[in-house]
Amino acid sequence: GNSVTQMEGPVTLSEEAFLTINCTYTATGYPSLFWYVQYPGEGLQLLLKATKADDKGSNKGFEATYRKETTSFHLEKGSVQVSDSAVYFCALSSNTGKLIFGQGTTLQVKP
Amino acid sequence: DAGITQSPRHKVTETGTPVTLRCHQTENHRYMYWYRQDPGHGLRLIHYSYGVKDTDKGEVSDGYSVSRSKTEDFLLTLESATSSQTSVYFCAISERTGREETQYFGPGTRLLVL
Repeated sequence: GNSVTQMEGPVTLSEEAFLTINCTYTATGYPSLFWYVQYPGEGLQLLLKATKADDKGSNKGFEATYRKETTSFHLEKGSVQVSDSAVYFCALSSNTGKLIFGQGTTLQVKP
Repeated sequence: DAGITQSPRHKVTETGTPVTLRCHQTENHRYMYWYRQDPGHGLRLIHYSYGVKDTDKGEVSDGYSVSRSKTEDFLLTLESATSSQTSVYFCAISERTGREETQYFGPGTRLLVL
């Protein structure tokens, strides 16, 4: 069945460091891929998405590229800020439209 | 902002009592979803709806029921709450553009079952 695996957290970085959060997936067909972000005490917000192989999603300095050959959708940011501290969820959308989530990765950015 | 509200935002209840959570949307979306969020599990789908009176089970539907009598409201009911249902519950709507579909989430309801 479909599944999403994210790197274990928490991830702790200093401000202005480079961020990578790994996400790999298992799916039949051609899923869409998403990154959602959850700030403390809030709901999930869509961060970026990609709908087909080699697409790059980007938003607020974050990027992720849909790599079908490695079944991956790693999240990257060149220079993190304290305000980026949150939980990040990778997800895929199956052909039925249902979302399958990874377990989430907590990012803590220190000044 | 996809115009989604959830009520209540916080609730404390006792084991064995019925609980109903409400999700309300203002933009006439056809598809609505209920998820629960637990540490180490991400979000898991409980039930979803693809129209008025059309609902189906998700991954973790045991102990939950849903109803959708109007497009704008999707209700989640715990018939007899248990401590294992302590969780944060999120409602979502699905926005479809051609073949692309994106889900947007409400602010969540934090439920504690004592």
